[in-house]
Amino acid sequence: NAGVTQTPKFRILKIGQSMTLQCTQDMNHNYMYWYRQDPGMGLKLIYYSVGAGITDKGEVPNGYNVSRSTTEDFPLRLELAAPSQTSVYFCASSHQGAGVYNEQFFGPGTRLTVL
Amino acid sequence: AQKITQTQPGMFVQEKEAVTLDCTYDTSDPSYGLFWYKQPSSGEMIFLIYQGSYDQQNATEGRYSLNFQKARKSANLVISASQLGDSAMYFCAMREGGSGGGADGLTFGKGTHLIIQP
Repeated sequence: NAGVTQTPKFRILKIGQSMTLQCTQDMNHNYMYWYRQDPGMGLKLIYYSVGAGITDKGEVPNGYNVSRSTTEDFPLRLELAAPSQTSVYFCASSHQGAGVYNEQFFGPGTRLTVL
Repeated sequence: AQKITQTQPGMFVQEKEAVTLDCTYDTSDPSYGLFWYKQPSSGEMIFLIYQGSYDQQNATEGRYSLNFQKARKSANLVISASQLGDSAMYFCAMREGGSGGGADGLTFGKGTHLIIQP
């Protein structure tokens, strides 16, 4: 199993450009998450999904959109990139049914710089 | 108010010594879980240990143990016999049961940068 994979690993965007960060998991997990990590900080939740077709906002959703058409994929869309979106983005997944104990499996991250 | 507080931005520890990383949390939900993750300089997030709010015993995983003091709302990570490879950022995180039944994401602290010295 590859676990959680993310592409690209690095990206530089110009202000106002758009891009999609890809996330795929092969563990048949229902739950998927997007976090951002700013320098020297912990991770903050952007969006999450409890299954195909169901998404919900996290703590910092502004400037982002998500979709979940399949169990495996959970892309994150940035529209009109801004310097404040410079961050490392992590995708994670976990299986359903264990209540608060849902160990999250993280992807390797995407380092995004907006200039 | 911060839900997860890690008061040690950085720590230096001699190799082979035990180290305690502090974490306090704030929640009114009776059902919650506490997690510790390690983030080495390569950037990946590595799950270390979990403690549930209803667990009667402190969690242990190899050299890692969690000193869970529910009344004080603290969940400190203890690493025994530290190794050079333990040098990394360490994050405490919490999931509350709430209405989502645990589907919501984790709330992270700001982390502690641990450096093990030979």
